[in-house]
Amino acid sequence: ELKVEQNPLFLSMQEGKNYTIYCNYSTTSDRLYWYRQDPGKSLESLFVLLSNGAVKQEGRLMASLDTKARLSTLHITAAVHDLSATYFCAESTLIQGAQKLVFGQGTRLTINP
Amino acid sequence: GAVVSQHPSRVICKSGTSVKIECRSLDFQATTMFWYRQFPKQSLMLMATSNEGSKATYEQGVEKDKFLINHASLTLSTLTVTSAHPEDSSFYICSARAPRQGNTIYFGEGSWLTVV
Repeated sequence: ELKVEQNPLFLSMQEGKNYTIYCNYSTTSDRLYWYRQDPGKSLESLFVLLSNGAVKQEGRLMASLDTKARLSTLHITAAVHDLSATYFCAESTLIQGAQKLVFGQGTRLTINP
Repeated sequence: GAVVSQHPSRVICKSGTSVKIECRSLDFQATTMFWYRQFPKQSLMLMATSNEGSKATYEQGVEKDKFLINHASLTLSTLTVTSAHPEDSSFYICSARAPRQGNTIYFGEGSWLTVV
């Protein structure tokens, strides 16, 4: 069964702290995506990770990919309130001949002043 | 950059009626588009894959006759919710693959459907 599991599902943290969201996936995937979703809005693309060992950074967010462990991480450095949102990882995988995105459950991040 | 536009962004309809949601790729051709449904505080669930010029491929458990998908051109896919019921109320999101941009997937803004 195809599974993408995020951990934790809920995260409340203080501004200025660091934390990591984990994303485990179950199949051999050629791409791993991270998205941000604000309440009532659609998805905003954050990162696309294409290969083992890939690391990408944008501001206070850094994403990495370990294809051997089937694990991706999203690290938040010195969190600020504006980063409060729900974060999804998704793997792109071939299912019955079609390329599809399979999403994790989402991690709801709340950053308190 | 590439943009995927959905319309309407919000719609309220009466039970038993049908409602159509459009998904357009504005500056690229998309042979493949995807339709997702998202209930409050849940993840996105893929409903179907829309292929230009052919029938959509539906995910298990999604009723083909209830959720009609048409992908008549390389820039437009439509989702029609037929005989809508309150339980169909949800956030519907489309995405489109841009083959000439490394198969990057772009998401629309989403459409809120409320069935009363």
